[in-house]
Amino acid sequence: ETGVTQTPRHLVMGMTNKKSLKCEQHLGHNAMYWYKQSAKKPLELMFVYNFKEQTENNSVPSRFSPECPNSSHLFLHLHTLQPEDSALYLCVSSQDPLIAGEGSQYFGPGTRLTVT
Amino acid sequence: DQQVKQNSPSLSVQEGRISILNCDYTNSMFDYFLWYKKYPAEGPTFLISISSIKDKNEDGRFTVFLNKSAKHLSLHIVPSQPGDSAVYFCAASYPEGAQKLVFGQGTRLTINP
Repeated sequence: ETGVTQTPRHLVMGMTNKKSLKCEQHLGHNAMYWYKQSAKKPLELMFVYNFKEQTENNSVPSRFSPECPNSSHLFLHLHTLQPEDSALYLCVSSQDPLIAGEGSQYFGPGTRLTVT
Repeated sequence: DQQVKQNSPSLSVQEGRISILNCDYTNSMFDYFLWYKKYPAEGPTFLISISSIKDKNEDGRFTVFLNKSAKHLSLHIVPSQPGDSAVYFCAASYPEGAQKLVFGQGTRLTINP
């Protein structure tokens, strides 16, 4: 496989469930990110990892817990979510350092999450 | 407060005509502006970008114009093709911490045959 892959593509979970989103990149990049896209809102950056170290947490509630075991894999662990957390969660990878102007961020297809 | 805004949620254009997508921003510190294109069930893909020191960048059918005094940029697609139907996101980046992109809400472009 090439590029950035995400599993599952769709997830429905109850508010008391614990689930995890997985992202894998096959591009040899060193930085990975989680973005959230809620309905009719801009994409919001959640977390940034550089060389497996978290370098940014954009004031994300603790019910979202990221994990980056290596430069190719990124997880987002979910627990006790709220219905308003229903959104499209996008994983992104890029080389580090990023040259933003070159559009060096590569997006995965996203996981559509519904919290019931 | 939203720093990057795309005020048109949707746009419909006849095939072969010009599509113009608009984006406004509020932070004069942004140094790069990017356009991403997103098809259903896929992640956004990079389309074209422009540095804040330029006012125009062209790549084939796609041209991005930047008006810094108005804090406004636009994406022109000419001629428009049915495959251009997608959601287009405008994004901006800071000089430092360039990994953080600030996105607009997106504009859904539909090209009618």
